[in-house]
Amino acid sequence: DAGITQSPRYKITETGRQVTLMCHQTWSHSYMFWYRQDLGHGLRLIYYSAAADITDKGEVPDGYVVSRSKTENFPLTLESATRSQTSVYFCASSDPGGNQPQHFGDGTRLSIL
Amino acid sequence: QQQVKQSPQSLIVQKGGIPIINCAYENTAFDYFPWYQQFPGKGPALLIAIRPDVSEKKEGRFTISFNKSAKQFSLHIMDSQPGDSATYFCAASTSNFGNEKLTFGTGTRLTIIP
Repeated sequence: DAGITQSPRYKITETGRQVTLMCHQTWSHSYMFWYRQDLGHGLRLIYYSAAADITDKGEVPDGYVVSRSKTENFPLTLESATRSQTSVYFCASSDPGGNQPQHFGDGTRLSIL
Repeated sequence: QQQVKQSPQSLIVQKGGIPIINCAYENTAFDYFPWYQQFPGKGPALLIAIRPDVSEKKEGRFTISFNKSAKQFSLHIMDSQPGDSATYFCAASTSNFGNEKLTFGTGTRLTIIP
């Protein structure tokens, strides 16, 4: 089925550990995005990518790393997790153009102890 | 800096009532204003969107009203149903290529009571 898949759905880890969240889309959308959702803050953009090997920072990029070697995959890595990175993370994809709908995955709930 | 301010944070409405969610923006370059609907455990999904060349857009029971001079837009849900209970996010962007980032409001948790 076409769509956007995030894995894992739930993750618990400890401070200082490295953790990678995966995102895979089957639409061949050129744009992909990573957001974090926190109460009172809505959705905040972490990183986005316009195409394979092209990435750029969003509003809250500190402590995160992304890569995009293939159009369909856009992993997000927390190199040394901190408690402040406990959140729900959403991946999205879209066609080019600022008025194109973004299609979201169902999120990864990450807890850092 | 919050470029899109959304209110209220939460809203409880009786079935059949008309919940109204308001958003205000600062950046006059914004020219595309979508609303996203999010159910628990799911990602947001596009509900309805408007461009500033019209003052109102309707899709089924959902209506966006837009006031360009006041830099405000709002979502109205007619004949609301318990199934409309969700979190709603307004957003804004510029619609030209190379500006695909959306700026989201902080969300409104809507509960429709039977």
